[in-house]
Amino acid sequence: EPEVTQTPSHQVTQMGQEVILRCVPISNHLYFYWYRQILGQKVEFLVSFYNNEISEKSEIFDDQFSVERPDGSNFTLKIRSTKLEDSAMYFCASSEARSYGYTFGSGTRLTVV
Amino acid sequence: TQLLEQSPQFLSIQEGENLTVYCNSSSVFSSLQWYRQEPGEGPVLLVTVVTGGEVKKLKRLTFQFGDARKDSSLHITAAQPGDTGLYLCAGAAGAQKLVFGQGTRLTINP
Repeated sequence: EPEVTQTPSHQVTQMGQEVILRCVPISNHLYFYWYRQILGQKVEFLVSFYNNEISEKSEIFDDQFSVERPDGSNFTLKIRSTKLEDSAMYFCASSEARSYGYTFGSGTRLTVV
Repeated sequence: TQLLEQSPQFLSIQEGENLTVYCNSSSVFSSLQWYRQEPGEGPVLLVTVVTGGEVKKLKRLTFQFGDARKDSSLHITAAQPGDTGLYLCAGAAGAQKLVFGQGTRLTINP
């Protein structure tokens, strides 16, 4: 069964450092997303991406965050200067169409120290 | 702000019993999805419901979308230990965004 692949599975970084989280969505999917889940809290929307541009973003997704699809397969989330409160599980997801269910990756656990 | 509230938050029952989990909102959603999430993993899609009043079955799991598309339920018949997990509902809000409930942690005791 096709899957969304995320790397790394764990990342520890110092406050103020830049991190890049990587995702390979399912190949025939057109919509790509990043969500995050702080320990013990709800899964929260960060950003959606379609046709090589951001289609929607949340208030969490400020100037410190950016997304990119540098080639035909990868989809990345960059946090420019990490804060302690960025510590969370970050999930990439993709979907074939807007109203279809999403396929989520296994996540990257980001710990900012 | 659109919110989804799930109830109960925790449910522990014996194998073979039936159960229903609820997902409620004051907002209308264009569709609603149910996921199951294991510890340390991403949510796994169970079903998407789109039409008000829609009912979908997945083996012993029955999902219903409310007529007004503001609420949904998940009913499990003859629960088994393998059904143990965190069940999440998520509503489609905005163009391409899901709003998640806080989840129902289900434990089925042998």
